[in-house]
Amino acid sequence: AQTVTQSQPEMSVQEAETVTLSCTYDTSESDYYLFWYKQPPSRQMILVIRQEAYKQQNATENRFSVNFQKAAKSFSLKISDSQLGDTAMYFCAFMKHSGGGADGLTFGKGTHLIIQP
Amino acid sequence: KAGVTQTPRYLIKTRGQQVTLSCSPISGHRSVSWYQQTPGQGLQFLFEYFSETQRNKGNFPGRFSGRQFSNSRSEMNVSTLELGDSALYLCASTTSGGSYEQYFGPGTRLTVT
Repeated sequence: AQTVTQSQPEMSVQEAETVTLSCTYDTSESDYYLFWYKQPPSRQMILVIRQEAYKQQNATENRFSVNFQKAAKSFSLKISDSQLGDTAMYFCAFMKHSGGGADGLTFGKGTHLIIQP
Repeated sequence: KAGVTQTPRYLIKTRGQQVTLSCSPISGHRSVSWYQQTPGQGLQFLFEYFSETQRNKGNFPGRFSGRQFSNSRSEMNVSTLELGDSALYLCASTTSGGSYEQYFGPGTRLTVT
């Protein structure tokens, strides 16, 4: 079974600053996907970024980028030029790639990110 | 493209009753997954359906069941409701083509009294 650990229950930064959210995972699988999801107060889960384990290049989506360290089983999310709208719960998630298609996502407990004006 | 829709958005039920939740995936997505979110347990995977077949299942009791129709719409049923079943139930549809990105609906908030 996989586990995902987010060690920072809450973080607070000033608008326009850069912030990094940590995530580590434990798995014996070699083929998998990693995701970051954002859940604002509306509770709508929004996909932020995705990383395939076989890709060495770190994924980037506009102001969001990841630092994927496969050997260390680490998958951190960096948010540059943070904005008030980035205030949300952020969940790190793991998905095993099985022959039967998409397996379920295993989520961490989340990090509550607060962007201060 | 319309996003994932879930109905109803809010539901209040009494212990012992049963409930059915509905999910319509993004057009063209054939895989639908269900998750339960509670303050204590966080987000937990219930099951996944593809082409009307349950392909993957999480660690939940048999009171939790689901099905998928030929148009990819899915329903989730919980029988003999318990207080601990109070949660936000999220449905997600998965992209085709191997990217495995899951897009979530707004959820159904179930309260069991």
